[in-house]
Amino acid sequence: EDKVVQSPLSLVVHEGDTVTLNCSYEVTNFRSLLWYKQEKKAPTFLFMLTSSGIEKKSGRLSSILDKKELFSILNITATQTGDSAVYLCAVHNTDKLIFGTGTRLQVFP
Amino acid sequence: DVKVTQSSRYLVKRTGEKVFLECVQDMDHENMFWYRQDPGLGLRLIYFSYDVKMKEKGDIPEGYSVSREKKERFSLILESASTNQTSMYLCASSLVLGAEQYFGPGTRLTVT
Repeated sequence: EDKVVQSPLSLVVHEGDTVTLNCSYEVTNFRSLLWYKQEKKAPTFLFMLTSSGIEKKSGRLSSILDKKELFSILNITATQTGDSAVYLCAVHNTDKLIFGTGTRLQVFP
Repeated sequence: DVKVTQSSRYLVKRTGEKVFLECVQDMDHENMFWYRQDPGLGLRLIYFSYDVKMKEKGDIPEGYSVSREKKERFSLILESASTNQTSMYLCASSLVLGAEQYFGPGTRLTVT
């Protein structure tokens, strides 16, 4: 059965800290891995990764995929209170996304 | 920017009622999806559609049906609502299968 596992389940940090969120997967017919940020409403798209070892970066957020070890990490440097959210990892197989349960990040001033 | 809208943010229905959740996207996307999101279980796919009048079952289709009469609109129907269908329902769309999906704001449905 296809599955996506995220860790940790939750994380509490202070502003300025750097955090690493983990996503491991077992999926047949892997196509891509996606990261989303979910605040109080709709998940918003962050990154799509298809190739191993190529870092994707957007401001203080970056992500990388390891297709041999079947995992991805999402790094957030110099965290801000606005980074507080649930971060979702999802893997695309042939035709659908399989989501992990998310990591809840809380950033305190 | 892609915009996906859902007809209601909050909805309260009684057990046994027929419930319609509507989703509209404005970017001419081919594919539309319905998920439910529950604590500890993440997002689970109920149904998706890759073309008008076409539908495919997701992982948890039991108790639900869908309708896609127009490209921009995808409806989720609960034929006879039950308390275990209390959840957050999220609609999404994508240009092609395999591309990133864009989500609506969600409908929090409570069945009493």
